[in-house]
This record gives sequence, structure tokens and C-alpha cells, in this order.
Amino acid sequence: EIVLTQSPGTLSLSPGERATLSCRASQSVSSSYLAWYQQKPGQAPRLLIYGASSRATGIPDRFSGSGSGTDFTLTISRLEPEDFAVYYCQQYGSSSWTFGQGTKVEIK
Amino acid sequence: EVQLVESGGGLVQPGGSLRLSCAASGFSFSTYWMSWVRQAPGKGLEWVANLRQDGSEKSYLDSVKGRFTISRDNAKNSLYLQMSSLRAEDTALYYCARSNKGGSFDYWGQGTLVTVSS
Repeated sequence: EIVLTQSPGTLSLSPGERATLSCRASQSVSSSYLAWYQQKPGQAPRLLIYGASSRATGIPDRFSGSGSGTDFTLTISRLEPEDFAVYYCQQYGSSSWTFGQGTKVEIK
Repeated sequence: EVQLVESGGGLVQPGGSLRLSCAASGFSFSTYWMSWVRQAPGKGLEWVANLRQDGSEKSYLDSVKGRFTISRDNAKNSLYLQMSSLRAEDTALYYCARSNKGGSFDYWGQGTLVTVSS
């Protein structure tokens, strides 16, 4: 099973700042099968990025994904008030799906 | 508009059984893989099971193999999760999710809560 480790656990930033979230895999992940989600309290997760770098429908272009192999990054170019939430990375491989433990982006 | 609505959660004793349902609408249900994903209170997301469009291929999280069964009825646009031999660690909010590009989950329901406790 591929384990995904996200860092940092919590990111304290101000609106307008840039957020950089990391997701590291225990073994190589196909870029085609790496996704990112946003989850706000009391809500279901929302797909942001699939295929490591493709934005899902309706996702603003301030969200971008990059990376390959074992290191992937989600970048939020300028934080809006509605972006403060928990973010999860997720991979698919060998008929198994795993999620990272999440990064909380909080208001500084 | 794509909608996924889960039902069937509740309080069950350890060792008990429960059947979750997910009613899908707004898309061609029979053409998508479907999944169940759970989230224990205050914890992260954990994939549970996945099912091919025609029901011929299934995958499960190791810890639920032999206890949970995923199924679907394409005529009713519905996905199911039969859970048996439930344990305290199965306590979670269970989400129904549509599988799409690159193994991602592009639509989610609001979840149904399963609590396993005596």
C-alpha cells in the first residue's frame, strides 16, 4: 500500500498570501492518478485537482497542482477567505486508493 | 445537477449489521465506477470500496474485506454497502462518491453516519 504523507500539518497564513502544500508518497505514483481535495467543516470533500495538475470543473485558477514520482505540490497563489480549510491528497494504484492525513490551512 | 444521497446509517452494536444506500441522479449512473469513502469523527478520509459499472469488478480496503460488500442496481440508480461484523473502528461518516478521471472522486454525497457502540 502506498502511504501519502502531507506537510505541514497546519499552515497559518493571511488572506492574499501564497500557500504551498506538500504530499510525499512512500513509492512512486503515476501522475495520472494523484488528486487533491478541499474539505470545509461539516461539508463533503470537493475535488480540486486530478492527474496531478488538471483543475476540476469550476475550480479557480489560483489553485494549481504539480509534481511527479513521489513528490507532489498543491499551490494556492493568493488565499481568499473561502480557501481556509483542510486539504487532502489522494492516489490510486493497484486497485487501491489512499489519502494523505491532510493539511489544515488556517487564518493567521 | 449531479446528486448523491446516502441513507441507512445509525447506531448498531458491535458485531451487528447495517446496509447503506446511495441514490444517484443527474448523470448516467450505469457508466461510472462508484465508491464508498469514510471519515471517522475528527479524522481524515479513508477509501472503503469501489465497484465497476457493471458490478463485475470490486475492490476493498483490507480491514473490511470479508465483512463489507459493495453492490449496485443500475436500474434504480443506486449503490449499496452491506456491512456486517461491525467494529467500533468502523464508526464514521460514510460517503458515496463517483469515481472519475485518474481514479479521483469528482462528486460526493453528504454522508450517512454509522456509529458502532454498545
